[in-house]
Amino acid sequence: DIQMTQSPSSLSASVGDRVTISCRASQSIGNYLNWYQHKPGKAPNLLISAASSLLSGVPSRFSGSGSGTDFTLTIRSLQPEDFATYYCQQSYTIPGSFGQGTKLEIK
Amino acid sequence: EVQLVESGGGLVQPGGSLRLSCVASGFTFSSHWMHWVRQAPEKGLVWVSRTNTDGSSTMYADSVKGRFTVSRDNAKNTLYLQMNSLRGEDTAVYYCAREGSSRSSDCWGQGTLVAVSS
Repeated sequence: DIQMTQSPSSLSASVGDRVTISCRASQSIGNYLNWYQHKPGKAPNLLISAASSLLSGVPSRFSGSGSGTDFTLTIRSLQPEDFATYYCQQSYTIPGSFGQGTKLEIK
Repeated sequence: EVQLVESGGGLVQPGGSLRLSCVASGFTFSSHWMHWVRQAPEKGLVWVSRTNTDGSSTMYADSVKGRFTVSRDNAKNTLYLQMNSLRGEDTAVYYCAREGSSRSSDCWGQGTLVAVSS
């Protein structure tokens, strides 16, 4: 199975900050990398698919990059509603493994 | 509005069974592969199972293989997860999700809680 490793596991930041979350796959997954936002008690929300394709309705302050094994989610100018846990997921093979999550907290 | 609504969770004793349901609306259910994903308390998201559009091809995480069965009724726009021989480590919120482009999960339900305890 492909292992997904996210870093950092938690992150404190302020409104207006720019933050970057990294995700590394244990083998090449092309661009089959997705990013989700998850808030407690809510359904997870797909932000980015295919490493860099922003879903319709997702604010443009979110962006994704990378290919192969190394990927990045960037949020520029954090807003209060962005504080949540973020997961990467590979969809190259089954099982579609997730990273362990990055909890983004208000500083 | 695209919507997925799970039900069927609850408290069950170890070794027991439950059947989860996920009712889809707002899209052509029969055209989409579907997934189950779970989240144990204070843990991350874990993929559980997947079915193709007509239910003829299914796959499972090793941790549930042989105990869980995914199925679907396209006439009822409903996805199911039959869970047998439940264990404490199966305690989690279970989400159904629609597969979208690049095999991402582009629509999720709110989840249903399964608690396995004596």
